[in-house]
Amino acid sequence: AQSVTQPDIHITVSEGASLELRCNYSYGATPYLFWYVQSPGQGLQLLLKYFSGDTLVQGIKGFEAEFKRSQSSFNLRKPSVHWSDAAEYFCAVSSGGYQKVTFGTGTKLQVIP
Amino acid sequence: KAGVTQTPRYLIKTRGQQVTLSCSPISGHRSVSWYQQTPGQGLQFLFEYFSETQRNKGNFPGRFSGRQFSNSRSEMNVSTLELGDSALYLCASSLATSGQETQYFGPGTRLLVL
Repeated sequence: AQSVTQPDIHITVSEGASLELRCNYSYGATPYLFWYVQSPGQGLQLLLKYFSGDTLVQGIKGFEAEFKRSQSSFNLRKPSVHWSDAAEYFCAVSSGGYQKVTFGTGTKLQVIP
Repeated sequence: KAGVTQTPRYLIKTRGQQVTLSCSPISGHRSVSWYQQTPGQGLQFLFEYFSETQRNKGNFPGRFSGRQFSNSRSEMNVSTLELGDSALYLCASSLATSGQETQYFGPGTRLLVL
């Protein structure tokens, strides 16, 4: 069965600092991987996805994620965090597209001025 | 272009009742997925429809059902409501289901079961 682990429940960063949110997945074959962001004003939004090809994927809002098969990881990064990035971030995995997606428990990001 | 809409936005029901939630996808989108979000279980996949066919279902009891109409609008139904069904129910739409297209979410329906 597929699963996702987000080891950090809560992360606090200063505005302008870099950010890395960790995600580890468990899946036997090549997974489809996703990052979502949920904020009170914007609801749930797809940030980026990986299903094949280049292991470094670019998403919206200046985010990127790197798929590392050897480490079963798909960490989310942003070089400079803005106060508006404060939200909860979910990593997810599926066997194919948006079908039967399994979500991680989420990482809540706090941004301090 | 209008986004994904969900109705109603808020709902209060009592145990044993049934409820129907509606989701209207973005025009032209043929895939609709439903998710349940609770503080205890987090985000969980409910089911996914494409061109009026349920393609996948998550690990939920048979009390949870859904359908998709020819105009791609989708409904989900929960019968014999339990307290644990209190949740935010989200739907999302995409052009297809391969994952190569972007998926867009609605604002959700918040259901409270008393």
